[in-house]
Amino acid sequence: DAGVIQSPRHEVTEMGQEVTLRCKPISGHNSLFWYRQTMMRGLELLIYFNNNVPIDDSGMPEDRFSAKMPNASFSTLKIQPSEPRDSAVYFCASSLRRERGNEQFFGPGTRLTVL
Amino acid sequence: GQQLNQSPQSMFIQEGEDVSMNCTSSSIFNTWLWYKQDPGEGPVLLIALYKAGELTSNGRLTAQFGITRKDSFLNISASIPSDVGIYFCAGHGSSNTGKLIFGQGTTLQVKP
Repeated sequence: DAGVIQSPRHEVTEMGQEVTLRCKPISGHNSLFWYRQTMMRGLELLIYFNNNVPIDDSGMPEDRFSAKMPNASFSTLKIQPSEPRDSAVYFCASSLRRERGNEQFFGPGTRLTVL
Repeated sequence: GQQLNQSPQSMFIQEGEDVSMNCTSSSIFNTWLWYKQDPGEGPVLLIALYKAGELTSNGRLTAQFGITRKDSFLNISASIPSDVGIYFCAGHGSSNTGKLIFGQGTTLQVKP
């Protein structure tokens, strides 16, 4: 079974450029989560979707960040314009939301470096 | 809001030793999950717990859902070098939004 797929795995860009991270969740899952991980702040939830609808975006740092989920099999996280402090590993995770459980399965992450 | 306190923050042990780490919550949790993250990879689910008092094993790993529903522990027996990584606890409370609360992680290093 294919797990959560993220692309690209690595992204190096210059400050001010637009960055788009992509995620394909596990087929059949109805919840999708975007996280950011840094040494200083650990694992932070940025935004999550249930049935393609954004539920909680309170973790999105600022208006430069936006996320979309146009269908059940695809989501993007966009940073425009990017800044050096956005350098981090970004993870996408998906789960099958139900009464119990909600185990999240993570992708391999995108390592973003903004110069 | 809900918070998880995970300890210890890091451990450096000798191969063959047993390891224990735990998480405590400020409020009741309905699910506890334990993840392991290898360097350069995403967290991988190790064990999921759904009932207070539940004790579950996965190979050399054993985890328990505390009876107060506010804590959980993970034990690793006879550690080996490939156990190196960061271990995270996670869970959610009664308001099942699907969102997980994560601990800060325990970094484990194993000396051969």
